Amino acid sequence: GQNIDQPTEMTATEGAIVQINCTYQTSGFNGLFWYQQHAGEAPTFLSYNVLDGLEEKGRFSSFLSRSKGYSYLLLKELQMKDSASYLCAVRDSGGYQKVTFGTGTKLQVIP
Amino acid sequence: AAGVIQSPRHLIKEKRETATLKCYPIPRHDTVYWYQQGPGQDPQFLISFYEKMQSDKGSIPDRFSAQQFSDYHSELNMSSLELGDSALYFCASRLREDTGELFFGEGSRLTVL
Repeated sequence: GQNIDQPTEMTATEGAIVQINCTYQTSGFNGLFWYQQHAGEAPTFLSYNVLDGLEEKGRFSSFLSRSKGYSYLLLKELQMKDSASYLCAVRDSGGYQKVTFGTGTKLQVIP
Repeated sequence: AAGVIQSPRHLIKEKRETATLKCYPIPRHDTVYWYQQGPGQDPQFLISFYEKMQSDKGSIPDRFSAQQFSDYHSELNMSSLELGDSALYFCASRLREDTGELFFGEGSRLTVL
C-alpha cells in the first residue's frame, strides 16, 4: 500500500516562492504526480516525476528523490489564483497501477 | 478536446435511497478510476477498471458497486445511502500505455438528506 504525507496548510505572499513537500512510503513505486485542486472543482494535472531530479514547467517545478521517498512542488512568482489545494499522488508499480492521493496541502496566497 | 464527462453533476437523495453516477471517459482511454472526496478531504480511491474488468479496489463500501460497460463508460451504484456518503465523486480516466496522467471529470456532487 501507499502512505503519503503532506503539510495540511501553508501560507505565502504574492510574488514569493513556496515549496510544498511530500513524503511517501510505498510497497511499489511507478511515478509521482502533483495536482492542483480549487475548492469544489476537479483536480488538474501539474507535473509527473518517475526519475530522480527536477522537472520544470513554467512557474511550477517538481522534484523527486526515490531513495528518500520525497518530492516537492515549487511554485514561483506566486499569484492570488494559486490559492488552492495541492495534491501529491503516487502510482503503484503493480499491473494495474493504482494512483493514491495524499491528504493535500491547502495553500493560501496573501497580498 | 473531449474530456471526461460525468452525470449527473448534482444529486440529492434521502437516506436509504439508491443513486447511480455515470462516467464517460475520454475516447481511447482504457482505464477508469472512481474517487470519493468528502468536504476538506483528499480524494479517496474507490475502484478502478481496466479494459472493462475491475482492476483495483480501494475503500469502497459493500453498499457500493461499479462496472464498466462495452462502450467503456462506467457507472457507480450506491445503495442504502447514508449521510456520510455526501461527497464529490470524481471519475478519472487515462490511457494505460501513456505516462499515466489521470484526467478528471468535473465530479458529481451527492447530497444525502
